[in-house]
Amino acid sequence: KAGVTQTPRYLIKTRGQQVTLSCSPISGHRSVSWYQQTPGQGLQFLFEYFSETQRNKGNFPGRFSGRQFSNSRSEMNVSTLELGDSALYLCASSLKSNYGYTFGSGTRLTVV
Amino acid sequence: KNQVEQSPQSLIILEGKNCTLQCNYTVSPFSNLRWYKQDTGRGPVSLTIMTFSENTKSNGRYTATLDADTKQSSLHITASQLSDSASYICVAANAGNNRKLIWGLGTSLAVNP
Repeated sequence: KAGVTQTPRYLIKTRGQQVTLSCSPISGHRSVSWYQQTPGQGLQFLFEYFSETQRNKGNFPGRFSGRQFSNSRSEMNVSTLELGDSALYLCASSLKSNYGYTFGSGTRLTVV
Repeated sequence: KNQVEQSPQSLIILEGKNCTLQCNYTVSPFSNLRWYKQDTGRGPVSLTIMTFSENTKSNGRYTATLDADTKQSSLHITASQLSDSASYICVAANAGNNRKLIWGLGTSLAVNP
């Protein structure tokens, strides 16, 4: 059974640009959560989607947004990139909200 | 304030030795406690999930314990292998409506030959 797939694996962007990251969950999983991971902060929760609806949202500015499609695939978008947005962005899928997470390998975003 | 603290921050051991990682949490109401292993540059992988009624749970050479009274958990690794080198993250789940997860910063373990 295929795992959680995140694309792209690596990305380099310039300050001020915008970026879209993609996550394909495990087949049958309807919950997708997004996290930002930086060395000093650990995993920071961005948002969770379940059946195309945003269920929970972390404390990130409005530049961070996401959506989920009818096939459960999810995208997150960051607009007006800042240097501090450089991080590993992780996606996790689960059958039920916030339980039995399976993580993808992440997208490493570098903002220069 | 809901938080999870892990110790030590980093640890170096020799292959074949045992080690124990610690986690203290202040999460209320409490639902469950999880341990994840994260290899460098990869996503975390679940090792154990324990509810407040469980004292211990094993997954191969990994054994987690939970004391819900003192709000402490530990992860014991037996007969360490080079592949155990990773970050180990403790996560406490809130039992509220949003079932929020509170993540620790992790313990970085290096197993040397």
